Amino acid sequence: RKEVEQDPGPFNVPEGATVAFNCTYSNSASQSFFWYRQDCRKEPKLLMSVYSSGNEDGRFTAQLNRASQYISLLIRDSKLSDSATYLCSRGSTLGRLYFGRGTQLTVWP
Amino acid sequence: GAVVSQHPSRVICKSGTSVKIECRSLDFQATTMFWYRQFPKQSLMLMATSNEGSKATYEQGVEKDKFLINHASLTLSTLTVTSAHPEDSSFYICSAEDYGSPNEQFFGPGTRLTVL
Repeated sequence: RKEVEQDPGPFNVPEGATVAFNCTYSNSASQSFFWYRQDCRKEPKLLMSVYSSGNEDGRFTAQLNRASQYISLLIRDSKLSDSATYLCSRGSTLGRLYFGRGTQLTVWP
Repeated sequence: GAVVSQHPSRVICKSGTSVKIECRSLDFQATTMFWYRQFPKQSLMLMATSNEGSKATYEQGVEKDKFLINHASLTLSTLTVTSAHPEDSSFYICSAEDYGSPNEQFFGPGTRLTVL
């Protein structure tokens, strides 16, 4: 079983839509979780850290459900510039990160 | 903000040659750096953890003799893909953990390796 699993999509939504991604993890001892954004052929960039029950940053909301071992990312009022691949990851000991395969989002005008 | 550079950004080589990729933290010290590999439409796969002044720790399934890692200073880690073959063609990305801000990683821009 993979460490972190994501629905690869693609998700195609119009501008202004709300879209949600889910990600499940297998290690119940995991304490830290992150959402990254990766543009085509670029390095991933940290979007949000998810440490407890969840957090919000502008149009982005991340939630953690420990009982079901999943994290989610909600994007409200989608912009064209939100088009990218969204990677979830879990932190492990000694700073290691384990990533899902990413969910591709395309926002169309 | 913290900046991590990688060199080269792209390399094309013949099968059987060795390729060295450098990862540098430009404005902070990194006692720990990480090397990832990403195949098209796949996730970033952690290959190894590079610790300054000690041997790297490899993830299960990653050949340490194939992927040589050296972390000789607090700002430089190198990954050498030895005797590269076409199946080694991939996007290699490093990240560095800021010694002053643990648990925060900064990613390099990646190196695209193509082995003919």
